[in-house]
Amino acid sequence: EVQLLESGGGLVQPGGSLRLSCAASGFNFVSYGMSWVRLAPGKGLERVSHIGASGGPTYYADSVQGRFTASRDNSKSMMYLLMNNLRAEDTAIYYCAKRLGDHYIDHWGQGILVTVSS
Amino acid sequence: EIVLTQSPGTLSLSPGERATLSCRASQSVTNNYLAWYQQKPGQAPRLLIHGASLRATDIPDRFSGSGSGTDFTLTISRLEPEDFAVYYCQQSPPFTFGQGTRLEI
Repeated sequence: EVQLLESGGGLVQPGGSLRLSCAASGFNFVSYGMSWVRLAPGKGLERVSHIGASGGPTYYADSVQGRFTASRDNSKSMMYLLMNNLRAEDTAIYYCAKRLGDHYIDHWGQGILVTVSS
Repeated sequence: EIVLTQSPGTLSLSPGERATLSCRASQSVTNNYLAWYQQKPGQAPRLLIHGASLRATDIPDRFSGSGSGTDFTLTISRLEPEDFAVYYCQQSPPFTFGQGTRLEI
């Protein structure tokens, strides 16, 4: 059974940083691209970042480009999202997600809440 | 970037009825790389349909997807109580979501 477990969320002040982690199990992690997707209050889903199976290529939404960095450690079946210079509009539930091929997501974590507020 | 517009924003129906949800793309979706997801409050999204019409693993056959090019439809033939949720369409590349349709009782 595929399992994705996010951690590292919480409350942070504007301008602050957080690192989200995703622990993956139940599939051959090294073979799949992975994504971070967020759901902000009152809004729809937004793909934040993508990272290829071997650690590249990476993709970022315009809204986070230059502030967020995705990485992965295939030896540990872990994916990370380093979020710098956080803004109020980054407040959302962040989901770790496993890609189905290049175009879809077939498994999601339960999500982790990030709140950016003073 | 392709923009996906879902309609209606909210759909009010009763169990047993048929639901038809629309997703329109601002330009043609490459190779019909179009998916539908269901999300219930407090839960992660679930993949229902990919490739515009292929049901994902363990998805009941009351869910069906159709369409091509710029116009896509998700149909739920007979609504069950557990089907009331928010539904998103998504296309690739690049990876973008519609704004969602809330299906309510």
